[in-house]
Amino acid sequence: DAGVIQSPRHEVTEMGQEVTLRCKPISGHNSLFWYRQTMMRGLELLIYFNNNVPIDDSGMPEDRFSAKMPNASFSTLKIQPSEPRDSAVYFCASSLGATGANVLTFGAGSRLTVL
Amino acid sequence: AQSVTQLDSHVSVSEGTPVLLRCNYSSSYSPSLFWYVQHPNKGLQLLLKYTSAATLVKGINGFEAEFKKSETSFHLTKPSAHMSDAAEYFCVVSPRYNNNDMRFGAGTRLTVKP
Repeated sequence: DAGVIQSPRHEVTEMGQEVTLRCKPISGHNSLFWYRQTMMRGLELLIYFNNNVPIDDSGMPEDRFSAKMPNASFSTLKIQPSEPRDSAVYFCASSLGATGANVLTFGAGSRLTVL
Repeated sequence: AQSVTQLDSHVSVSEGTPVLLRCNYSSSYSPSLFWYVQHPNKGLQLLLKYTSAATLVKGINGFEAEFKKSETSFHLTKPSAHMSDAAEYFCVVSPRYNNNDMRFGAGTRLTVKP
């Protein structure tokens, strides 16, 4: 398995533009997580899906952020409009099962810079 | 509710000397505990995990951690540091029976001097 695949790896955009980050989880994994990592705030959980259904989106910062999981093999995180404070590394992770004992497999991350 | 505290933001050791990265947790549930490692510009990778079996857990690359319920600790150790161990390490606590409240520590940056 190629692991969790994220794209793009790097994105530089201007304030106000729409940004879409993509994630392909490991085949057979039924839980998917989006995290944001910054120096100031560390790793923050944005949203968690189980069986393609959003279970916890309390970490989504505001209405500018939205996430979808139309099927078991694909998820998107969209920021519209983007702002400089959204600059961060965004990680997608997947796991098999919905218990806390399950290991998360992380993608390599998408580094977003908003000018 | 759950929380995890990594007691040191930065640890520096010499190559060949022991490593100790400290983690304390708080959990209202029976916890699962994990250590993940993040090398520069990479995603996080699992080092080891504790669920409910042996309290001394062995992981990859010679790392191990001991679950001490009385001290609410899950410290990460390695007998002899290698240059390739230089990275950021994250302690994670999660309720054992659901994914809804997984908490990451702030991370400990390990530097290994030659």
